Amino acid sequence: SAVISQKPSRDICQRGTSLTIQCQVDSQVTMMFWYRQQPGQSLTLIATANQGSEATYESGFVIDKFPISRPNLTFSTLTVSNMSPEDSSIYLCSVEGGQAGSLNTEAFFGQGTRLTVV
Amino acid sequence: GEDVEQSLFLSVREGDSSVINCTYTDSSSTYLYWYKQEPGAGLQLLTYIFSNMDMKQDQRLTVLLNKKDKHLSLRIADTQTGDSAIYFCAESSTTSGTYKYIFGTGTRLKVLA
Repeated sequence: SAVISQKPSRDICQRGTSLTIQCQVDSQVTMMFWYRQQPGQSLTLIATANQGSEATYESGFVIDKFPISRPNLTFSTLTVSNMSPEDSSIYLCSVEGGQAGSLNTEAFFGQGTRLTVV
Repeated sequence: GEDVEQSLFLSVREGDSSVINCTYTDSSSTYLYWYKQEPGAGLQLLTYIFSNMDMKQDQRLTVLLNKKDKHLSLRIADTQTGDSAIYFCAESSTTSGTYKYIFGTGTRLKVLA
């Protein structure tokens, strides 16, 4: 299993500012994922971050708005830039894990960052 | 593209069984998952089923998979107030060589005492 620490757990930000969310994993992982969960909705994948390469963004998400860093195998950050009230959401960091020798994988999640933009 | 759908709400009385349903579109999914999200928390894996299985039982949880109809269900026996949460169905999918999870919309389960 993997233990993920995400911070801040919540924040209230002024529109036009930026917030950087940190994700720390207790083991080395190749891929880290950033999701957004808007109120009452499911999780939407923002991007996949591999160490040593640029993040891969899903349709509808761009690097200028959601820059991601992945400096090593245990850490990543997601920045929400030039925020507007529409960015109010829960942002979740996730990694993949699984039992050695098993084909199965499981996604582990941080507790999320609840962002409110006013 | 891939899509996973669930009903949004379910309300049951304590001690009854809950059945949460999910439909998905990607027939190549190898594993299907059920995650639980309690208020203010991240998602926690409850159980999963391999796509060549029809059923999996794990204590109070029973997962049924109808691969022909692409229908997945989660049955919680003897539902307790602590089971109140949002339940997400998810499939793992490989698109253009990229491995990712597709989550359903989530079903909010409310257990009445």
